[in-house]
Amino acid sequence: AQTVTQSQPEMSVQEAETVTLSCTYDTSESNYYLFWYKQPPSRQMILVIRQEAYKQQNATENRFSVNFQKAAKSFSLKISDSQLGDTAMYFCAFMKGMGAQKLVFGQGTRLTINP
Amino acid sequence: GAGVSQSPSNKVTEKGKDVELRCDPISGHTALYWYRQSLGQGLEFLIYFQGNSAPDKSGLPSDRFSAERTGGSVSTLTIQRTQQEDSAVYLCASSKRRGEGETQYFGPGTRLLVL
Repeated sequence: AQTVTQSQPEMSVQEAETVTLSCTYDTSESNYYLFWYKQPPSRQMILVIRQEAYKQQNATENRFSVNFQKAAKSFSLKISDSQLGDTAMYFCAFMKGMGAQKLVFGQGTRLTINP
Repeated sequence: GAGVSQSPSNKVTEKGKDVELRCDPISGHTALYWYRQSLGQGLEFLIYFQGNSAPDKSGLPSDRFSAERTGGSVSTLTIQRTQQEDSAVYLCASSKRRGEGETQYFGPGTRLLVL
């Protein structure tokens, strides 16, 4: 079974700073996908970024980027120039490449951006 | 276009009552997922529907939980004889088609409180 671990329950930074959220996972699969989702107080889970394990290049989406280290089974999220609207719970998630496409989530990191 | 919708937004019920939670996926999405988010267990997969295939029910916690998807669109999650430990946010997600690593789009969830 796959497991996803987020070791930082809470983080807090000042607006405009850069913050990195950690995620490690355990799997014996060779083909899989990794995701970061954001959940603001509204409860709506929003996709932040997606990474295919077979791609060596790290995914980026505007201010959001990942550091994907396949051998170390690490998938951290970097948020640059943080904004107040980035305040949310962030979940790292794993999906196998074959079979049922269910997501396995980490426990989440509560990120607060302070003005 | 419209996103995934869920109803009701909040539901309060008494222990032992049955509840039905509804999910309306994004139009054209063939895959539909239910997850449960609780303080103690985090985010857990419950059930997965893909087209006309038999659903993957491997995440349902007990036989009090069931789900159906009518006409390949709307889904209903039913919890019979609710217990206090069923209190959680129930999230529904849908994705475009059966492929690898398809992004799942989430609804706003139903918060269930069992008294």
